[in-house]
Amino acid sequence: DAGITQSPRHKVTETGTPVTLRCHQTENHRYMYWYRQDPGHGLRLIHYSYGVKDTDKGEVSDGYSVSRSKTEDFLLTLESATSSQTSVYFCAISEMSGHYNSPLHFGNGTRLTVT
Amino acid sequence: TQLLEQSPQFLSIQEGENLTVYCNSSSVFSSLQWYRQEPGEGPVLLVTVVTGGEVKKLKRLTFQFGDARKDSSLHITAAQPGDTGLYLCAGEGYQKVTFGTGTKLQVIP
Repeated sequence: DAGITQSPRHKVTETGTPVTLRCHQTENHRYMYWYRQDPGHGLRLIHYSYGVKDTDKGEVSDGYSVSRSKTEDFLLTLESATSSQTSVYFCAISEMSGHYNSPLHFGNGTRLTVT
Repeated sequence: TQLLEQSPQFLSIQEGENLTVYCNSSSVFSSLQWYRQEPGEGPVLLVTVVTGGEVKKLKRLTFQFGDARKDSSLHITAAQPGDTGLYLCAGEGYQKVTFGTGTKLQVIP
């Protein structure tokens, strides 16, 4: 299994509070991704990174920011959490951007509940 | 926005039955992948199909990529309880991967 650790695994927070989720990899892969998974929507890309300090937006980036100061760590921050951000968040990594050459390896997810 | 629709959304069958899951889009993809996800875990890659019309087999699972590279199917022969899970297709476009909505399969012993 790819070495991907997400923390925390579960979090409950109140509306309006900041939240940071962490993804740590030991594979030295260049690409890292944050997805959210909601019933009926599959997995939707929030942000991704193609190198240290190089990030870009995905399809559902509003309300989220990311940072990658080291190859192994990719942080997802909700500046002011809202109930619509209640979801399961998955981090994924890949060696290259060409998907058929380099599939995604996922962490085990963080279940976030915003009350 | 590229959309991938999977059908059916839910499937509950008896052990030993056959089933087919479909993944359809109006967009062309350079490759398509199938993942399986179990509760509390992240998705795990099953297979990648790249060429239009390509068929790949993984034990009792048969994957097919449509000729026009817009759709795919997953056929499971003689389903086992261990096949239970969420099946996701994912299509690679230009610098972007789009996931399908998922098919939740339950195989009853």
